[in-house]
Amino acid sequence: GAVVSQHPSRVICKSGTSVKIECRSLDFQATTMFWYRQFPKQSLMLMATSNEGSKATYEQGVEKDKFLINHASLTLSTLTVTSAHPEDSSFYICSARVGSHSSYNSPLHFGNGTRLTVT
Amino acid sequence: DAKTTQPPSMDCAEGRAANLPCNHSTISGNEYVYWYRQIHSQGPQYIIHGLKNNETNEMASLIITEDRKSSTLILPHATLRDTAVYYCIFPKTSYDKVIFGPGTSLSVIP
Repeated sequence: GAVVSQHPSRVICKSGTSVKIECRSLDFQATTMFWYRQFPKQSLMLMATSNEGSKATYEQGVEKDKFLINHASLTLSTLTVTSAHPEDSSFYICSARVGSHSSYNSPLHFGNGTRLTVT
Repeated sequence: DAKTTQPPSMDCAEGRAANLPCNHSTISGNEYVYWYRQIHSQGPQYIIHGLKNNETNEMASLIITEDRKSSTLILPHATLRDTAVYYCIFPKTSYDKVIFGPGTSLSVIP
């Protein structure tokens, strides 16, 4: 089946530093990838839609200058949390769907998430 | 947003069938119902999806009502490893993104 690999699985950083999270589709090409964040005991919250070769589309309330998304190839999207603060501590999850299908008729495949802790 | 309604939590005895309901009364005719689950501290896992007909795969069965306003995910013989949060969603055709609701926290009890 389609596999999405996310790295790192866990990262601890100091306040004010930047952290990059990678999301790779291992055995398929993904025109679109999605980034979510999840706080304890809450559901996934969509942050942005990452499109290969173009700018990401951010959800309302998500700061695009703080959460930089790059989707430079059909198998890799990165999320960089810039100038991280303790309130950015969360579980970040990426997902992708195969090829150029729309999400409504093609399942998403998820990475295993990145646990970010900002001290 | 595409809204679904699910019970916040359910219990199921190990070995018994787990039936998880979902209401999606605003679903449109060409929108699929998807089910995912998330085990603690992992990414969500795709389970099954369907449009009109009932569906079955190696993980579960999906029963969709004739009016498509609700569906039920069935885990035929629940195991302890099925303890997870189960999400029912229907991605809109009008925009390409997937929004998650709160889901149902299923606890399988020995």
